Amino acid sequence: DGGITQSPKYLFRKEGQNVTLSCEQNLNHDAMYWYRQDPGQGLRLIYYSQIVNDFQKGDIAEGYSVSREKKESFPLTVTSAQKNPTAFYLCASSIGWTDNEKLFFGSGTQLSVL
Amino acid sequence: DQQVKQNSPSLSVQEGRISILNCDYTNSMFDYFLWYKKYPAEGPTFLISISSIKDKNEDGRFTVFLNKSAKHLSLHIVPSQPGDSAVYFCAASGGYGGSQGNLIFGKGTKLSVKP
Repeated sequence: DGGITQSPKYLFRKEGQNVTLSCEQNLNHDAMYWYRQDPGQGLRLIYYSQIVNDFQKGDIAEGYSVSREKKESFPLTVTSAQKNPTAFYLCASSIGWTDNEKLFFGSGTQLSVL
Repeated sequence: DQQVKQNSPSLSVQEGRISILNCDYTNSMFDYFLWYKKYPAEGPTFLISISSIKDKNEDGRFTVFLNKSAKHLSLHIVPSQPGDSAVYFCAASGGYGGSQGNLIFGKGTKLSVKP
């Protein structure tokens, strides 16, 4: 059963700590994305990757880092430089990097600051 | 500056009636529009889309209408069911020369369908 798996579902971060959110897909999709959702807000793009070993900054990349060493995996690290990390984080993928592609989303990770 | 606007944060409809969710955009370069549905603590799921070369697309109970001159699109759900209660996001692409990474989302409209 193909899909996108995000883990953990809930994550807590202490001050000054880096945390990593996992995203794995078995859809054989080339492109992967990370979005952030704040209450009452739309989804904002953090980073995206068109292909393995390549990634680009989105609209709100500051304080975040990513890697794309494998096609299936696109982990997101929330660094201590991100001063307001509390949000719902969504990973997504699409078949390819073209227009009119439909994004497939994971079930999300809720990150909170202790 | 919001390029995709959903001006109604919430909408309440009686079961069996029509739900109309609205979306306005400012960038005339957008050429593809999508609606996503999202339940609490879950990821959005694709619902329906429309290309700018069309003015209507229908899929079962869901119909999306596009008015390019007004830069406006709407999602009609007929008949509405309690299971349709969710947040609906409008999204647009093409404004940056075809980059999927620049899919622009509205803030969403929370639909409540009451039995």
